[in-house]
Amino acid sequence: NAGVTQTPKFRILKIGQSMTLQCTQDMNHNYMYWYRQDPGMGLKLIYYSVGAGITDKGEVPNGYNVSRSTTEDFPLRLELAAPSQTSVYFCASSYSQQRVEWGELFFGEGSRLTVL
Amino acid sequence: EDQVTQSPEALRLQEGESSSLNCSYTVSGLRGLFWYRQDPGKGPEFLFTLYSAGEEKEKERLKATLTKKESFLHITAPKPEDSATYLCAVQVYNNNDMRFGAGTRLTVKP
Repeated sequence: NAGVTQTPKFRILKIGQSMTLQCTQDMNHNYMYWYRQDPGMGLKLIYYSVGAGITDKGEVPNGYNVSRSTTEDFPLRLELAAPSQTSVYFCASSYSQQRVEWGELFFGEGSRLTVL
Repeated sequence: EDQVTQSPEALRLQEGESSSLNCSYTVSGLRGLFWYRQDPGKGPEFLFTLYSAGEEKEKERLKATLTKKESFLHITAPKPEDSATYLCAVQVYNNNDMRFGAGTRLTVKP
């Protein structure tokens, strides 16, 4: 099993450009998440989804959009990139909160984004 | 507001020198506390879940404990391969947001 796969691993954007970070998981998890990690700040939740067609905002959603058309895929869209969006982005997935393993998040390897 | 604070920010140990990492939390209704390990350039990897005060979990040289205000990750006789950043996270009831601490960067010298 591949687990959680993110692409691209690295990307440099100019201010005002847009892009999509791709995330796919093959574990049939209901829950999927996007986090950003800045140095010394810990992981911050951007958006999450509890199933196909259902998404909700996390702690830091401004400047981002998501969609969840299938169980496997959860892309993150950056519109009008700004330097403040320079960060490492992690996608994660987990079982639903009705399962005993609900707290175990499986993370991808991250996408490092630089906005210049 | 729910908060998670980890200390120290960085810890350097000699191989075999046992120590503890701290995670203190202020939340409204703890549902679970989690420990993750993160290697450089990688995503976090799940270690433990603790649900209630007094609970303990062990895995190889690591033992996690939980009180009503904090959790400790005890590392016994660490090896260089234990070098990583250790993240603590909490989740509260009626909230899907798992709140992470900033982590403790552990370096174990041979």
